Amino acid sequence: DQQVKQNSPSLSVQEGRISILNCDYTNSMFDYFLWYKKYPAEGPTFLISISSIKDKNEDGRFTVFLNKSAKHLSLHIVPSQPGDSAVYFCAASGLTNFGNEKLTFGTGTRLTIIP
Amino acid sequence: EPEVTQTPSHQVTQMGQEVILRCVPISNHLYFYWYRQILGQKVEFLVSFYNNEISEKSEIFDDQFSVERPDGSNFTLKIRSTKLEDSAMYFCASSAEVTATYEQYFGPGTRLTVT
Repeated sequence: DQQVKQNSPSLSVQEGRISILNCDYTNSMFDYFLWYKKYPAEGPTFLISISSIKDKNEDGRFTVFLNKSAKHLSLHIVPSQPGDSAVYFCAASGLTNFGNEKLTFGTGTRLTIIP
Repeated sequence: EPEVTQTPSHQVTQMGQEVILRCVPISNHLYFYWYRQILGQKVEFLVSFYNNEISEKSEIFDDQFSVERPDGSNFTLKIRSTKLEDSAMYFCASSAEVTATYEQYFGPGTRLTVT
C-alpha cells in the first residue's frame, strides 16, 4: 500500500537555509493533508495541515504547498534550525460519515540540520 | 497544554500472552485511534473508535485485537494472544469533534516486545 510516498529517506540542510520535504499521493479521495514531526522515542507531533481546497498554508517558519493536479505536496521550513532535526511524516485523510478517518502515513524523511 | 498519555512506555511479554496497552486521550476529544509502527516501517492505522464503537479497522486489526473505553478517560488496546510480529511501537491518538481540520494528537507510544 503506497498511497502516500516520501521518496527521500533523508535530507541534510545547512542551518539558516530552506528545508524542502516532498510527498506524493495516489488516492484522489484524500482531501486533507498533514505533516507530523517525530523525535526518537516520542509520538508524532502535529506540525501543519492543508485542506484540498487550498494550495498553500503558512504557520510561522512552516509552509505547506499542495498541487492537486500533480498529487504532490511539500513542506518548506525557513529558516531551518538545529531543533528541526527529526523525522517528518506526510499523512493524508478523508472525511467519512463518521466525521473523521484514519491517517495514511508516508515512510518519513529524516531531516538533519547542519550547524 | 493537554496531551495524550500512554502506559506503559515499554512492555515485554512472551508469545501467546495477553497484553493491554493503555491510553488517556485529551479530555474533550471524541475520536480515538490506535496506530502502530514496526521498526523501520511506516506508521500504520489499526482502528478508530467513536461513540463507544469501532468506526473503522484495518486488516491488521484481526480477532486477536480489541479496544475498549472502560470509563470516561481511558482507551485500551488488548492483544489476546501476542505473536512475535506484534512487536512494534503502538501509538494512541485522539481528535476533537469534526471541525474544518482533522488534526490527530498522538501519545508518546508503548514499545511492545514479544519474545
